[in-house]
Amino acid sequence: DAGITQSPRYKITETGRQVTLMCHQTWSHSYMFWYRQDLGHGLRLIYYSAAADITDKGEVPDGYVVSRSKTENFPLTLESATRSQTSVYFCASSDSLAGTYNEQFFGPGTRLTVL
Amino acid sequence: RKEVEQDPGPFNVPEGATVAFNCTYSNSASQSFFWYRQDCRKEPKLLMSVYSSGNEDGRFTAQLNRASQYISLLIRDSKLSDSATYLCVVMYDYKLSFGAGTTVTVRA
Repeated sequence: DAGITQSPRYKITETGRQVTLMCHQTWSHSYMFWYRQDLGHGLRLIYYSAAADITDKGEVPDGYVVSRSKTENFPLTLESATRSQTSVYFCASSDSLAGTYNEQFFGPGTRLTVL
Repeated sequence: RKEVEQDPGPFNVPEGATVAFNCTYSNSASQSFFWYRQDCRKEPKLLMSVYSSGNEDGRFTAQLNRASQYISLLIRDSKLSDSATYLCVVMYDYKLSFGAGTTVTVRA
C-alpha cells in the first residue's frame, strides 16, 4: 500500500541493547521526521532530514542516530537503549515546509518499551 | 516554559453541543499554525491550517490571535466521531512544535 509505514509496530528490548526503528514512505517526499510522544508532552522532534544524505538534529537527539541513504527510508537507531527512551515513536514525511502547506503525514507509530 | 501549551481537558460534551478551546505559544516569531487530530494514540492527522484572518472547515472554526499568542478551535454541532485529542501545532524555522493536546469526548 502507498503511504508511510513503520516497523516494528511494537518492540520490547532491554537496557543497553541497540534497536533500529524503520520508516518507509512511498510518496517520494523530500522531508522526513522522527518524533517521540510521551504522556504530558507533545510530540518532540528527534531528527529530521531534508533529502537523502541530509539530516539534522531536532529537540531531543541524544542517544539516537539516523541515516538516510535513500529518499524513501529513514531508520532511527537507539545505540544503547535506556528506560527513558520508552515511548511511542512516530515517523512523518512532507513534500513542503512552506508555511500553511507544511502538512506532515505520520506513520502508525512504534511502541517501544525498554526494560 | 513549553513552546505550546494546551488545556489537557477532558472536555465532555453532549452531541450537538459547541465546544471551544485554546492553546498558547511562546515564540512570537512563529510563522504558521495548525490543528492536528489524534485518535486513541494513533497517528496525528492534519485537521486544518489556521490562517491569520481565521478560517472555517465545515463545523470547525480556527482563530489566531498573534498579539496575545493564542490559537483557538471551535467545534459546532459536535458528533460522536469528534471524540479525539486535538493537537495545537506551531511552526518556526520550518520545524513543528506540538502541544500535548486537548481531549474532547462527545457523549450520546
